[in-house]
Amino acid sequence: QKEVEQNSGPLSVPEGAIASLNCTYSDRGSQSFFWYRQYSGKSPELIMFIYSNGDKEDGRFTAQLNKASQYVSLLIRDSQPSDSATYLCAVNFHDTNAGKSTFGDGTTLTVKP
Amino acid sequence: EPEVTQTPSHQVTQMGQEVILRCVPISNHLYFYWYRQILGQKVEFLVSFYNNEISEKSEIFDDQFSVERPDGSNFTLKIRSTKLEDSAMYFCASVGDRGGYTFGSGTRLTVV
Repeated sequence: QKEVEQNSGPLSVPEGAIASLNCTYSDRGSQSFFWYRQYSGKSPELIMFIYSNGDKEDGRFTAQLNKASQYVSLLIRDSQPSDSATYLCAVNFHDTNAGKSTFGDGTTLTVKP
Repeated sequence: EPEVTQTPSHQVTQMGQEVILRCVPISNHLYFYWYRQILGQKVEFLVSFYNNEISEKSEIFDDQFSVERPDGSNFTLKIRSTKLEDSAMYFCASVGDRGGYTFGSGTRLTVV
């Protein structure tokens, strides 16, 4: 059974701080990794994907992947109250865009003004 | 920004009844998916669909479930005889070149 585990929340940070969200996965053959943001009652929205070891930056978001440690993280710099949401880590066995994803339970982030 | 459209947004049905959930994926996407999320739980894979056939399905996707792409644009999920435990949010998703899913807004299914 392929598992995806996320650090238990909720996570609370002050506005302007860095929020760090972590995810581990059990299947060493996993190839692609995604972070989604889900506001309460809404559908998941893709924030970032990463396929290679190292860091990938997109605006205030940085995804970090370490395949040897089976670990992927998301850093949110200069956190804003609008970042308050549940963040879902998803892992895909395939190295293409296609294929099913296994999701973690999510980490709920609250950014306090 | 292209969208994945799902209808209805909320469906209430009696146990044992059939329901059809509808989705219009983004037009140039080739891979389509159904996921569900029971309230307070994780997003779970149901089925993937490519080239007009199922490419993968989960253990949840038993004989009560079926998918179709009847007219080249709509993508439907049918549950033949609903159970109480089928109550969940059902998300359609499609994948394009960029990677990662574009999810629809979901259909909340309530079985009573």
